Amino acid sequence: DTGVSQNPRHKITKRGQNVTFRCDPISEHNRLYWYRQTLGQGPEFLTYFQNEAQLEKSRLLSDRFSAERPKGSFSTLEIQRTEQGDSAMYLCATAGESSYNSPLHFGNGTRLTVT
Amino acid sequence: DQQVKQNSPSLSVQEGRISILNCDYTNSMFDYFLWYKKYPAEGPTFLISISSIKDKNEDGRFTVFLNKSAKHLSLHIVPSQPGDSAVYFCAARSTGSARQLTFGSGTQLTVLP
Repeated sequence: DTGVSQNPRHKITKRGQNVTFRCDPISEHNRLYWYRQTLGQGPEFLTYFQNEAQLEKSRLLSDRFSAERPKGSFSTLEIQRTEQGDSAMYLCATAGESSYNSPLHFGNGTRLTVT
Repeated sequence: DQQVKQNSPSLSVQEGRISILNCDYTNSMFDYFLWYKKYPAEGPTFLISISSIKDKNEDGRFTVFLNKSAKHLSLHIVPSQPGDSAVYFCAARSTGSARQLTFGSGTQLTVLP
């Protein structure tokens, strides 16, 4: 499977715990995005990497959230001191530079439940 | 402030008929528009797109229309099939280095056999 891979698929955690999600992009895709989706809403942009550089962060990304892409390949999203409001689907999407208009390719997401 | 709006949360259509999904946007800086389809427990899948320099783009059974003056786009599916039943998201891309997408809240399409 050469699509965007996200792990784990599901994560249940207690409030106050830290969680980390991983995204493996389509190979050669140098643009990587994290989105969050809650019930009844569309995905909301969180942050963007071009290669290993984090170039943009949404104001939705509080200081409890941190994302990395150390070697310009896989990325991790960590949430510290989780709150119930963090419960959502976290989606990773990647795109190449073959065309300015190349669409984003999404993974199947990690569903986080904070109890 | 919702910059991309899908005002119909759901739509039911008979198999073989046309499905029309609508989307409105407010940001004049959007230059590229996309439709994504999402099945339960899967991520959104790219369906079709249109650049702001065009007013129509077709791909098989799917056609997207863009009316820039009205800041409105629509997705037409003809003929509709039961396998088209999914949530459809309209998305618009900002200019700038990140080129991130802004999504609407989605429309659940149900195609009845």
